[in-house]
Amino acid sequence: RKEVEQDPGPFNVPEGATVAFNCTYSNSASQSFFWYRQDCRKEPKLLMSVYSSGNEDGRFTAQLNRASQYISLLIRDSKLSDSATYLCVVNNNDMRFGAGTRLTVKP
Amino acid sequence: NAGVTQTPKFQVLKTGQSMTLQCAQDMNHEYMSWYRQDPGMGLRLIHYSVGAGITDQGEVPNGYNVSRSTTEDFPLRLLSAAPSQTSVYFCASSYSVMVAGVGEQFFGPGTRLTVL
Repeated sequence: RKEVEQDPGPFNVPEGATVAFNCTYSNSASQSFFWYRQDCRKEPKLLMSVYSSGNEDGRFTAQLNRASQYISLLIRDSKLSDSATYLCVVNNNDMRFGAGTRLTVKP
Repeated sequence: NAGVTQTPKFQVLKTGQSMTLQCAQDMNHEYMSWYRQDPGMGLRLIHYSVGAGITDQGEVPNGYNVSRSTTEDFPLRLLSAAPSQTSVYFCASSYSVMVAGVGEQFFGPGTRLTVL
């Protein structure tokens, strides 16, 4: 079993839609969590950290459920510019990446 | 402030050749790391360093060496290239090495390596 698992997608949604991604992790000792965004043939960039209490940044909301060992990312009012691959990242003593979920937002 | 820079951007090697991928950062970050990214596999950690003179192995270290003689530079050496090392290589750095783990990482633009 991979340490970090994501639904690879692709998710194809119309502009304005709400889309949610989930990610599960296997190491219960993991201590910090992130969502990164990666555009095609580019480097990953931090989208947001994920806190136990949940956190929101504009149209993006991240949630952490330690008991069930999963992390979620919700994108509201999708824009064409949200099209990218979203990487779930889990830290213990080093960063472990999920394989990513590809999102395409269509007009 | 250039951030994290990597050279070369593209490289083609023949099996058995050796080469060094360069990585430098100008943010005075203590933590630096190397990843490889393969389709369907996500990024996998090769080696990392928590400061000058200190390196350690990650998830997939075989076939690679690193050194960290300065805070700024963290080169990755392929000792004898194999087709299985065809991949995209990313270098990253972080401003903190927290007790709870590494904080936000800043990535370089990547090196696309093909081994024939």
